Amino acid sequence: GENVEQHPSTLSVQEGDSAVIKCTYSDSASNYFPWYKQELGKRPQLIIDIRSNVGEKKDQRIAVTLNKTAKHFSLHITETQPEDSAVYFCAASLTSYDKVIFGPGTSLSVIP
Amino acid sequence: DTGVSQDPRHKITKRGQNVTFRCDPISEHNRLYWYRQTLGQGPEFLTYFQNEAQLEKSRLLSDRFSAERPKGSFSTLEIQRTEQGDSAMYLCASSVDWAEAFFGQGTRLTVV
Repeated sequence: GENVEQHPSTLSVQEGDSAVIKCTYSDSASNYFPWYKQELGKRPQLIIDIRSNVGEKKDQRIAVTLNKTAKHFSLHITETQPEDSAVYFCAASLTSYDKVIFGPGTSLSVIP
Repeated sequence: DTGVSQDPRHKITKRGQNVTFRCDPISEHNRLYWYRQTLGQGPEFLTYFQNEAQLEKSRLLSDRFSAERPKGSFSTLEIQRTEQGDSAMYLCASSVDWAEAFFGQGTRLTVV
């Protein structure tokens, strides 16, 4: 089955700097790669996603890239703000409505 | 609130007791998913339904776990003879066939 790995497990950046989280997946059949943000005690919330027919997607300060050949995908957050502090999960799925396999998470701390 | 609703939000039970959780999906969402999340980990897929049909069960779901969605609307997850290792956050999510899933707030189970 699918296995998703994620690095780093913790990340601390100064406010205004960029943060990058990298993930790999194992199942070449996966075509949908969502990213979730989870604040302490709250539900995971989808912040951005990318499908396998797209190499890059951007939404304001957040961008995701996908290298399907290498089975790598990454999340980039620019101009980080303290409210970006949370745990971020990458994930992989066959489609947007199939079961989602999550990575272990990255705890991001943005220092004011 | 028109989001995914889970009840109860918190449950403390003694080892060996049975517990049941309920999930009400977003109206007209035909797909419903159950995940389990332990502290410091990403959510792990347990099972999912398309309408009332249970389409897939994870190997994580032992014989003590059972899920139902009798009328294709709300779902219940029952854990029989609870063990301390069952302590976790149980998350429910729902979606339609062409879109991503939305998560509920979860039920936090503590087995003492």
